[in-house]
Amino acid sequence: GAVVSQHPSRVICKSGTSVKIECRSLDFQATTMFWYRQFPKQSLMLMATSNEGSKATYEQGVEKDKFLINHASLTLSTLTVTSAHPEDSSFYICSARDALGYNEQFFGPGTRLTVL
Amino acid sequence: GNSVTQMEGPVTLSEEAFLTINCTYTATGYPSLFWYVQYPGEGLQLLLKATKADDKGSNKGFEATYRKETTSFHLEKGSVQVSDSAVYFCALIGPSGGYNKLIFGAGTRLAVHP
Repeated sequence: GAVVSQHPSRVICKSGTSVKIECRSLDFQATTMFWYRQFPKQSLMLMATSNEGSKATYEQGVEKDKFLINHASLTLSTLTVTSAHPEDSSFYICSARDALGYNEQFFGPGTRLTVL
Repeated sequence: GNSVTQMEGPVTLSEEAFLTINCTYTATGYPSLFWYVQYPGEGLQLLLKATKADDKGSNKGFEATYRKETTSFHLEKGSVQVSDSAVYFCALIGPSGGYNKLIFGAGTRLAVHP
């Protein structure tokens, strides 16, 4: 149980285009989902926290107009990187917290974004 | 604020060697503590956790004990395998700062050679 999927696993796009990444909790309801960014050989940086049906809370320094987060249902959150540029290339990982629990997050496999 | 400090890597070991990866934390109250493992090109998998002082988390031969007096949660394994090669992250959550934010250490890369 407690499986989180991400789609796509890899995406390559041209500079200036927008990319959408999906995060799904497959076998549980997730009231809260989290989006992280990971640079090569570095730790995870929390970008934002999304709660189902409400606006996401962004960490300091993260541009909310560039990284659009939608948490439309208890099993799906999406991250859209708008007008992507090469510096947005990174590994994006989502996690989800079970509605019944309060301190354990289950992580997706990650999405590798490369902007040319 | 809350923080996690891990020993710097990479850690390079021969198969069947003993492994210790040190992790210390700074937090008020009693946070929950976690070890996550990340294999190349993949997301994070929860390896083990402990939610209160003196708890021992264990999984797949790995174990870590929540030591409140030394604010530590060191990861150990008695005999590592090549398949254990990965990056290991120590993390904590709550109570100060809320239960939303997982605080990660920098990660320690482990390489096990035959």
